[in-house]
Amino acid sequence: DAKTTQPTSMDCAEGRAANLPCNHSTISGNEYVYWYRQIHSQGPQYIIHGLKNNETNEMASLIITEDRKSSTLILPHATLRDTAVYYCIVRVGFAASKLTFGTGTRLQVTL
Amino acid sequence: GAVVSQHPSWVICKSGTSVKIECRSLDFQATTMFWYRQFPKQSLMLMATSNEGSKATYEQGVEKDKFLINHASLTLSTLTVTSAHPEDSSFYICSASRGLKEKLFFGSGTQLSVL
Repeated sequence: DAKTTQPTSMDCAEGRAANLPCNHSTISGNEYVYWYRQIHSQGPQYIIHGLKNNETNEMASLIITEDRKSSTLILPHATLRDTAVYYCIVRVGFAASKLTFGTGTRLQVTL
Repeated sequence: GAVVSQHPSWVICKSGTSVKIECRSLDFQATTMFWYRQFPKQSLMLMATSNEGSKATYEQGVEKDKFLINHASLTLSTLTVTSAHPEDSSFYICSASRGLKEKLFFGSGTQLSVL
């Protein structure tokens, strides 16, 4: 799986949009970009994934650059419950393919 | 959505004893499950890939005789930490996918403390 680079930590005010960047310059054509988050002492939670088009769901939006070498996860209106470690992972898109976690970004949402 | 259940949530055991952790896919069949370990303030590290009906595939550096994995059915995989020692104390997490091109779902994790 391609390696990803994320900032170690970020802060965001409650109610504002949280934009979490991720670099994956060595991504292959058949690798998807996945985002998971982990709230303290819980298992990771799936957020969103995409291949090359931008994606949106009820939790977040995923913006992937045209060259696919980077992406941004957007939480449109961050709340205190969004405080977590966010992991950007690239993975070949089939079930038997493992997820390799990097160090992630620790997002702290503040009042 | 798909749910992965992990049991127990936490366990405390004496050094030298064995501990079994269960991972179940509640509403789907999973031919492949993954086991991760996470130490405090660190990221998840993949330990092994569990395949239904066959031997698990272990990552480099993970002792297969110490961390026994059994995936006897399409909805259940178990991880047994044999002869546990304090250094095995960690947060163990399993994951599974419903099928091809499906995302991985994670269990809630098991906190193991070995005294």
